[in-house]
Amino acid sequence: DTEVTQTPKHLVMGMTNKKSLKCEQHMGHRAMYWYKQKAKKPPELMFVYSYEKLSINESVPSRFSPECPNSSLLNLHLHALQPEDSALYLCASSSRSLLGYEQYFGPGTRLTVT
Amino acid sequence: GNSVTQMEGPVTLSEEAFLTINCTYTATGYPSLFWYVQYPGEGLQLLLKATKADDKGSNKGFEATYRKETTSFHLEKGSVQVSDSAVYFCALSDQGRDDKIIFGKGTRLHILP
Repeated sequence: DTEVTQTPKHLVMGMTNKKSLKCEQHMGHRAMYWYKQKAKKPPELMFVYSYEKLSINESVPSRFSPECPNSSLLNLHLHALQPEDSALYLCASSSRSLLGYEQYFGPGTRLTVT
Repeated sequence: GNSVTQMEGPVTLSEEAFLTINCTYTATGYPSLFWYVQYPGEGLQLLLKATKADDKGSNKGFEATYRKETTSFHLEKGSVQVSDSAVYFCALSDQGRDDKIIFGKGTRLHILP
């Protein structure tokens, strides 16, 4: 099973709202990622968690706050977003092996900020 | 730094045509190479991968060979279908501490019936 699930599928929020995106995987992967994807662009890395610790923050504004409660779950807390934050938010997970590794992506959450 | 360059799209082909999407890379060390596919309204799916020189990745009729001498990983399919219409991303693993994947800009493929 190579499934990464994300909820909700769609989210519309105002600039003063607080909401959270959720991601779950049961593949035993110890690295999890948040990406932002704008239309007709490749995904842009936001955060990386490795063994439940934040290992990379790609200079993401503080209105995005990641959380990794356990090895299977990854959250992205949203607060005071701007309209330009509207995008597809993708979660991914990966595990290393001697042959290299690959990332498995969820279906994404389509976020609209009004 | 490491980078991936892939052909600009959109690419439009008729059903059953031969497909090539070019991808070249710049990297230090020995990265793994990937092709990801994104169907409309969906997330990215790993299509195929190759982890060392001369490896051939294949899946669903698609193939790509890791060519170190030309730093290329071109995607090919002998006979495309309408259902192959999607955006294709070439990518490499930046196998440093960060475990990053570096994506190309993507190539949109339209297959006409």
